[in-house]
Amino acid sequence: KQEVTQIPAALSVPEGENLVLNCSFTDSAIYNLQWFRQDPGKGLTSLLLIQSSQREQTSGRLNASLDKSSGRSTLYIAASQPGDSATYLCAVRRIQGAQKLVFGQGTRLTINP
Amino acid sequence: DAGVIQSPRHEVTEMGQEVTLRCKPISGHDYLFWYRQTMMRGLELLIYFNNNVPIDDSGMPEDRFSAKMPNASFSTLKIQPSEPRDSAVYFCASRTLGTGELFFGEGSRLTVL
Repeated sequence: KQEVTQIPAALSVPEGENLVLNCSFTDSAIYNLQWFRQDPGKGLTSLLLIQSSQREQTSGRLNASLDKSSGRSTLYIAASQPGDSATYLCAVRRIQGAQKLVFGQGTRLTINP
Repeated sequence: DAGVIQSPRHEVTEMGQEVTLRCKPISGHDYLFWYRQTMMRGLELLIYFNNNVPIDDSGMPEDRFSAKMPNASFSTLKIQPSEPRDSAVYFCASRTLGTGELFFGEGSRLTVL
């Protein structure tokens, strides 16, 4: 059974810092991995989608990497801003039953001005 | 495109009442998913449809829950009778066939008293 873990559950950093959020998964046989952002009381917003054949994806100040063999993905946020404060979730799409996403519990990020 | 549209955004009802949540997926998307989010259990997949056909409802907690997709632009999730433990945020999401990203609606926050 695929399990997805995000550590830490919460992170607080001063504005301007570069930071890394972690996501680990137990079964390396994944189809793709998606990072989402969730603001309080809102839905999930897709940030980056990495296919199993890719090593990383970039969008603006965000860079996501994928290492299937070690069962890990990281989301790098450069020059953090208070507007980046949100909960970040990663989700993996398995090869078997490949329509489902398995979500981590998320990391609640606070950027302090 | 307006994105995935859900209604109502908030619903407060009394135990035993019927609740109907509605979703309009993004036009052209082949898959529609219903998720439930709680603090204790995180995001749980309830059911998903492909081309309006229910494919996997193994996440539906009980027979009190039912979902339909009468056409490509509309789906409902019904709870009858509702119970306090059904209180959660219910999300609808959609995507295209293949490697497509998953797009979420803003959610319907349900409170059962």
